[in-house]
Amino acid sequence: GDSVTQMEGPVTLSEEAFLTINCTYTATGYPSLFWYVQYPGEGLQLLLKATKADDKGSNKGFEATYRKETTSFHLEKGSVQVSDSAVYFCARWMDSSYKLIFGSGTRLLVRP
Amino acid sequence: EAGVTQFPSHSVIEKGQTVTLRCDPISGHDNLYWYRRVMGKEIKFLLHFVKESKQDESGMPNNRFLAERTGGTYSTLKVQPAELEDSGVYFCASSPGGTGANVLTFGAGSRLTVL
Repeated sequence: GDSVTQMEGPVTLSEEAFLTINCTYTATGYPSLFWYVQYPGEGLQLLLKATKADDKGSNKGFEATYRKETTSFHLEKGSVQVSDSAVYFCARWMDSSYKLIFGSGTRLLVRP
Repeated sequence: EAGVTQFPSHSVIEKGQTVTLRCDPISGHDNLYWYRRVMGKEIKFLLHFVKESKQDESGMPNNRFLAERTGGTYSTLKVQPAELEDSGVYFCASSPGGTGANVLTFGAGSRLTVL
């Protein structure tokens, strides 16, 4: 069935390091794709999204490109900060049933 | 505008007891969703309301779970009787109708601990 797979965490990086969190999906067609972030003690927040192939979503220095060839939507940031420490969730929209399907989440810990 | 509000933020109950979680969506949002994250796993869909109607409840685990959305405004999720495996974080989300329907705004979640 349709699913979202993202790399297991935790991911531990030093400040200013480069970040990649992998996300792949299975689907028929071209679903809208999302990254959500959950900071400690807070709810899920939309970080960025892309609605069609080759779209690039970006926000707060994070980017992700919708790659239909590899069915991927990897999250990247060139220089992470301690304040980026959070859990990141990749998700896809199900047009057939009007709901989001999430990956298992990846915890990021950035050390000063 | 006010966001999605959930309460309680944390509830600790014993097995067999009843708990009711409440969600107040963003005013005017027709779509209301409940999700659950158990033991650090993926966030799983529970159900979807459009206004006061249940559009999809395929993710509800069993008949111990009952969701309502009175008058198409706030929603409650009742677990009765609670079991150990019901522990987790319950998230509520809402979205408008139309083209913005797939951009969900989430609440902070209600953490349920069943002892």
